[in-house]
Amino acid sequence: RKEVEQDPGPFNVPEGATVAFNCTYSNSASQSFFWYRQDCRKEPKLLMSVYSSGNEDGRFTAQLNRASQYISLLIRDSKLSDSATYLCVVMDTGRRALTFGSGTRLQVQP
Amino acid sequence: NAGVTQTPKFQVLKTGQSMTLQCAQDMNHEYMSWYRQDPGMGLRLIHYSVGAGITDQGEVPNGYNVSRSTTEDFPLRLLSAAPSQTSVYFCASRTGQGTYGYTFGSGTRLTVV
Repeated sequence: RKEVEQDPGPFNVPEGATVAFNCTYSNSASQSFFWYRQDCRKEPKLLMSVYSSGNEDGRFTAQLNRASQYISLLIRDSKLSDSATYLCVVMDTGRRALTFGSGTRLQVQP
Repeated sequence: NAGVTQTPKFQVLKTGQSMTLQCAQDMNHEYMSWYRQDPGMGLRLIHYSVGAGITDQGEVPNGYNVSRSTTEDFPLRLLSAAPSQTSVYFCASRTGQGTYGYTFGSGTRLTVV
């Protein structure tokens, strides 16, 4: 079983749609949680950190459920520029290095 | 402030050759790490470092060496290149404080023939 699991997609949605991505992680020692965005053939870029209380950044909302070891990302009012691969990422207490999911590809269509 | 700089951006090696992928950061970050990304596999941790003089292995360390003699630099050495090491390599760094995410370099695309 992978440490971080995501639905690979692709999710094809029209502009203006709301789309949600889910992720589960297996290591209960995971300490920090993130969503990264990766455009084709580019480096991953931090989209947002994820906190137990939930957090919002403009059109993006992230949620963490530690009991279920589940992380989500909600994108409202999708834009063409949101088309990318979204990576669910966890960081454990010991190594302070990242473990990545394989990513969920989003394609926003006009 | 250049962030995380990786060189070269592209490289073609012959099987058995050795080379060093360079990574430098100018943010005084304590933590640095190397990942490789293969299609359908996501990013996998090769080696990481929590400070100068301290390194440790990640998930896929075989065939790679690292050293961290300064805070700024974290080179990755391929000892004897194999076709299985054809991949995109990313270096990343973060501060040792808090729970901030890592900042990534733009990557090195390596092909081993």
